[in-house]
Amino acid sequence: GAVVSQHPSRVICKSGTSVKIECRSLDFQATTMFWYRQFPKQSLMLMATSNEGSKATYEQGVEKDKFLINHASLTLSTLTVTSAHPEDSSFYICSARDSGQGARPLHFGNGTRLTVT
Amino acid sequence: GENVEQHPSTLSVQEGDSAVIKCTYSDSASNYFPWYKQELGKGPQLIIDIRSNVGEKKDQRIAVTLNKTAKHFSLHITETQPEDSAVYFCAAIRFGNENLTFGTGTRLTIIP
Repeated sequence: GAVVSQHPSRVICKSGTSVKIECRSLDFQATTMFWYRQFPKQSLMLMATSNEGSKATYEQGVEKDKFLINHASLTLSTLTVTSAHPEDSSFYICSARDSGQGARPLHFGNGTRLTVT
Repeated sequence: GENVEQHPSTLSVQEGDSAVIKCTYSDSASNYFPWYKQELGKGPQLIIDIRSNVGEKKDQRIAVTLNKTAKHFSLHITETQPEDSAVYFCAAIRFGNENLTFGTGTRLTIIP
């Protein structure tokens, strides 16, 4: 089945530093990937839609200069949390949809637990 | 836009019994409804999905039903097992749109 790999699974960083999270589609091409943030015991909150070869589309209230997204290839999107602060601590999850699959199910990575100290 | 409501928020079921989770959606144009299972510390995993041209779909112990007229769909898990314990999310989307709209999640606990 379709697999989305997300790395790292867990990262601890100091306040003020930047952290990059990678999302890869392993056995399919994805022109579009999605980045979510999930707070404890809550649903997934869409942060942005990552489009291969073009700028990401950010949801209202999400700072594009703080959460930099790059989707340079059909199998890789990255999310960089810049100048991280403790309030950025959260569970970040990416997802991707097989561009060539008509049913278009969405597959998720296993998430990245970010802790900013 | 689409709005998806999910109930109950928590559900405890004796092992071997059935569990039912219900969702309603607002956009009558939505035509694809996946269900995801999320275990602690992991990303959501697609467990079953249904398109609007089908009323029911079954995969072993898991089934999903869809009532387009009432705009609601349900997840049914039979013969529950401890490993079914997780948070379950329903979602809805209209083909042509890119973003899924998720329900608020149901924490299912199977009591041994």
